[in-house]
Amino acid sequence: DADVTQTPRNRITKTGKRIMLECSQTKGHDRMYWYRQDPGLGLRLIYYSFDVKDINKGEISDGYSVSRQAQAKFSLSLESAIPNQTALYFCATSDLTSGTNNEQFFGPGTRLTVL
Amino acid sequence: QKEVEQDPGPLSVPEGAIVSLNCTYSNSAFQYFMWYRQYSRKGPELLMYTYSSGNKEDGRFTAQVDKSSKYISLFIRDSQPSDSATYLCAMSPGGYQKVTFGTGTKLQVIP
Repeated sequence: DADVTQTPRNRITKTGKRIMLECSQTKGHDRMYWYRQDPGLGLRLIYYSFDVKDINKGEISDGYSVSRQAQAKFSLSLESAIPNQTALYFCATSDLTSGTNNEQFFGPGTRLTVL
Repeated sequence: QKEVEQDPGPLSVPEGAIVSLNCTYSNSAFQYFMWYRQYSRKGPELLMYTYSSGNKEDGRFTAQVDKSSKYISLFIRDSQPSDSATYLCAMSPGGYQKVTFGTGTKLQVIP
């Protein structure tokens, strides 16, 4: 079974629609992250959370919001989707106490297309 | 200027070749250096991890860090078609500091 799961895996939506991407993990990690990946731009951090009560903006948080419903669940919302939010979205987890500090474990990704 | 620079490739090599992938960086606070491998339609996964300067070897893979030059490398010996993927360098000061990723280099190993 996958340790980090993302739903949906693919989504096509229209401009102005509200979209939620969900992430669940069974690794027991405290830290969770949302990234988007675009060709030529690499992985860019949207939001991150070090525990249930902690939410932090990343480098490109405008137009996005998140919710940490439980240690194992971290959701990303696009309140009003726009075409330049078309990208591959990844959820990741990490654990400060692990031997390889800062190693992040990624989910399989969600391909989002905004028309 | 980006904190981490990585040549996007694509890089195409014949099977059995030695591959060299590189990243440069500008933040002298980086202490942890990582290489992730990402297969098509998959999430990145950690391949190699190095703390501070030096070399680390794992099978056909060798990671090198030269902090004085702010330059890191990943060498792949006897490259195989299964090595075809995008390789992303990543680095961090450690602790609660976030990880900064390179843009990735796409590698194709031709049989």
